Amino acid sequence: KAGVTQTPRYLIKTRGQQVTLSCSPISGHRSVSWYQQTPGQGLQFLFEYFSETQRNKGNFPGRFSGRQFSNSRSEMNVSTLELGDSALYLCASSPGLSFFRDTQYFGPGTRLTVL
Amino acid sequence: GENVEQHPSTLSVQEGDSAVIKCTYSDSASNYFPWYKQELGKRPQLIIDIRSNVGEKKDQRIAVTLNKTAKHFSLHITETQPEDSAVYFCAASRDGNAGNMLTFGGGTRLMVKP
Repeated sequence: KAGVTQTPRYLIKTRGQQVTLSCSPISGHRSVSWYQQTPGQGLQFLFEYFSETQRNKGNFPGRFSGRQFSNSRSEMNVSTLELGDSALYLCASSPGLSFFRDTQYFGPGTRLTVL
Repeated sequence: GENVEQHPSTLSVQEGDSAVIKCTYSDSASNYFPWYKQELGKRPQLIIDIRSNVGEKKDQRIAVTLNKTAKHFSLHITETQPEDSAVYFCAASRDGNAGNMLTFGGGTRLMVKP
């Protein structure tokens, strides 16, 4: 099976702009999670989607949003970009509802730079 | 919420030696504990995971132990090789109707000197 894919891989934006990142999970996987990775804060959970429903959300401002489509592909959007949003955004997918039963696999990430 | 602490933040070992990385977690309901290896510029890659119904799991040179009473788990790498050099992250998760999320430790930079 093909792994988790993310597009674009690299993105440069300026403050105040908005950005949309895309994630295609492993075929058959219905859960998609998003994480932000920065040198200072490490890996932080953004949100999780399952069957087009957001099931969990991390401690991020409302500028960060996401959605999932019926084919399990997911997008995340960041509006009014700030310099601190510069990070590697990682998407991960797993087959079902429970990490106890299923394993989560990461995509290659989208490197976002905000100037 | 869950809090995961990871130690040490950096670890330097000689090739062939063993390396141990330790993590503690705060939520006693956490039941899934994966370890990820991340090489520079690459995605985190799952190397081993353990669920709360077992105390130890081994895969070739890598092993993980879990102590639920003390709420800590450890990664053991034996016979280290230069290609083991990377940043290692531990994480914890609990099942819940509100969804699943991984809470990560701060990472350990492992350097294996030839």
